[in-house]
Amino acid sequence: EVQLVESGGGLVKPGGSLKLSCVLSGFTFSDVWMGWVRQAPGMGLEWVGRIKRKIDGGTTDYGAAVKGRFTISRDDSKNTLYLQMNSLKTEDTGMYYCTTDSGGRTVITALDSWGQGTLVTVSS
Amino acid sequence: DIQMTQSPSSLSASVGDRVTITCRASQSISIYLNWYQQKPGKAPKLLIQAASNLQSGVPSRFSGSGSGTDFTLTISSLQPEDFATYYCQQSYTLPRTFGLGTKLEIK
Repeated sequence: EVQLVESGGGLVKPGGSLKLSCVLSGFTFSDVWMGWVRQAPGMGLEWVGRIKRKIDGGTTDYGAAVKGRFTISRDDSKNTLYLQMNSLKTEDTGMYYCTTDSGGRTVITALDSWGQGTLVTVSS
Repeated sequence: DIQMTQSPSSLSASVGDRVTITCRASQSISIYLNWYQQKPGKAPKLLIQAASNLQSGVPSRFSGSGSGTDFTLTISSLQPEDFATYYCQQSYTLPRTFGLGTKLEIK
């Protein structure tokens, strides 16, 4: 069974930084594309970005709202995905979900497994 | 960016009802359309991939159809566990975008 467990959320001041982690089990981490989706309180889902597996180049893509401030990385030796968040704004507040992305495994990609989320609050 | 428009935004229905949720893309996305279910306080769950492919373990009362710009998610006979918020999402191009969601409530 695939399991994703996020950690690292918390309270941070505007302009600050935070690094989220996500550990994958039940699947070979190096075989999967990974990503992040966030959800502001009471709102819908927003795609943050993704990272491909190394055999597909290991490249990253981001949503416009976070591009240049957030960085997605992976450590295949630790089965861990990261989200480094810099220059945080109050509008970055929300639940951050780690996901697997079926890219590289299916032609039409989807976010096929989700973690339980970690809450990030940006407030002074 | 491709805009995804869902309707209705909320819907009241009874157990046993047949329900249809619509998702429209701002440009053609072929069948690059996925549906997710989110229950309160829980993570979303992938229900349908590529417009009509039911994920393993998803009950057969759920079905998806459509291509191009217009898509539907149908629940043939609502069960108590189906009351949740449903999101469509396009995977045709970057950035991936979601609809605003349809909240399905008990009448």
